Amino acid sequence: DAGVIQSPRHEVTEMGQEVTLRCKPISGHNSLFWYRQTMMRGLELLIYFNNNVPIDDSGMPEDRFSAKMPNASFSTLKIQPSEPRDSAVYFCASRFQGNQPQHFGDGTRLSIL
Amino acid sequence: TQLLEQSPQFLSIQEGENLTVYCNSSSVFSSLQWYRQEPGEGPVLLVTVVTGGEVKKLKRLTFQFGDARKDSSLHITAAQPGDTGLYLCAGGGGLTDSWGKLQFGAGTQVVVTP
Repeated sequence: DAGVIQSPRHEVTEMGQEVTLRCKPISGHNSLFWYRQTMMRGLELLIYFNNNVPIDDSGMPEDRFSAKMPNASFSTLKIQPSEPRDSAVYFCASRFQGNQPQHFGDGTRLSIL
Repeated sequence: TQLLEQSPQFLSIQEGENLTVYCNSSSVFSSLQWYRQEPGEGPVLLVTVVTGGEVKKLKRLTFQFGDARKDSSLHITAAQPGDTGLYLCAGGGGLTDSWGKLQFGAGTQVVVTP
């Protein structure tokens, strides 16, 4: 079975540019999570969706970050404008329901110059 | 602020030795999960514990959930180089959350040398 698929795997861009990260959750899963991982702060939850509806976005750093889930098989995390401090590995995870385990993608390594 | 404190932050041991990683919190969790993450990959679930005092074994790995459901430990017996990785604990279903989102610890980097 295909796991959570993220694209791109690596992104290098200059500050001020718009960045869009993409995620395809596992088919049939109804919760989707976006995380950011850095050495300093570890793995932080940014936002999560349940049945395509954003439930908690309290982890989103600021208005430059936005996330959408237009349907059950696709989500995006957008940063506009990007800043060097946004450099991190961004993970998407999905879950079937309730307290079932989360399945993580392999992440997008983002570098903002 | 991390609600889950993991210790130690880094552990380097020789193949065949035993090790224990700790995960502590002041919060009560309805479940606690342990993940292992390897470079360039996302975390992969190892185990979920849900009952206070519960002990689960996965080959050479033993996981324990504290009686009060605030802490957990991971013990590896006779570690092998393949056990190298970042071990993350994650608490779910805290008192203020009914949607099952996870709070992750900062992780313990384990290195097992041959």
